[in-house]
Amino acid sequence: DAGVIQSPRHEVTEMGQEVTLRCKPISGHNSLFWYRQTMMRGLELLIYFNNNVPIDDSGMPEDRFSAKMPNASFSTLKIQPSEPRDSAVYFCASSFSTNEKLFFGSGTQLSVL
Amino acid sequence: SQELEQSPQSLIVQEGKNLTINCTSSKTLYGLYWYKQKYGEGLIFLMMLQKGGEEKSHEKITAKLDEKKQQSSLHITASQPSHAGIYLCGASSSGSARQLTFGSGTQLTVLP
Repeated sequence: DAGVIQSPRHEVTEMGQEVTLRCKPISGHNSLFWYRQTMMRGLELLIYFNNNVPIDDSGMPEDRFSAKMPNASFSTLKIQPSEPRDSAVYFCASSFSTNEKLFFGSGTQLSVL
Repeated sequence: SQELEQSPQSLIVQEGKNLTINCTSSKTLYGLYWYKQKYGEGLIFLMMLQKGGEEKSHEKITAKLDEKKQQSSLHITASQPSHAGIYLCGASSSGSARQLTFGSGTQLTVLP
């Protein structure tokens, strides 16, 4: 099994630019989670989907952040416009059900200059 | 929201030594997850504890859940360099993985 696949692994962009992070969950998993990790705040849940439907987006920092899951095998997290304080590692995770353990991707290291 | 405090924040041990990492919750624990993270990589699931008093072991790693103390401990016996990394505990107020809150992590270094 390929595991959770995230792309790109690293992203460097300039302030004001649009950034799109991508995630392919493990086949058969019906829950998908986006997390952000920083030194200051640790690992924070941004949003999670169940059966492609966003269930809780209360962790999304502000309107500049948006996430979609058009089908069971793909999700995106978009930041527009990006700001330096968005610099972090963004993780995608999936699980078979919301009560099961999460499988994490390798993350996307985002640097906004 | 649930807050998790991990201690110590960092730990340096000599290979072969035993060590314990603690995770204390501000609220009742219904489910506690332990993960390990290596630098530049995602989190790897170690164990999940759901019942008070529950104890699970995998190889040289043992985790326990003390419901009354709202605390979990992770114990590594005879540590090896391969155990090095960041250990994070995660929990939710409902026991579901839907809204896991994570501790800030414990950075473990094992000296050969």
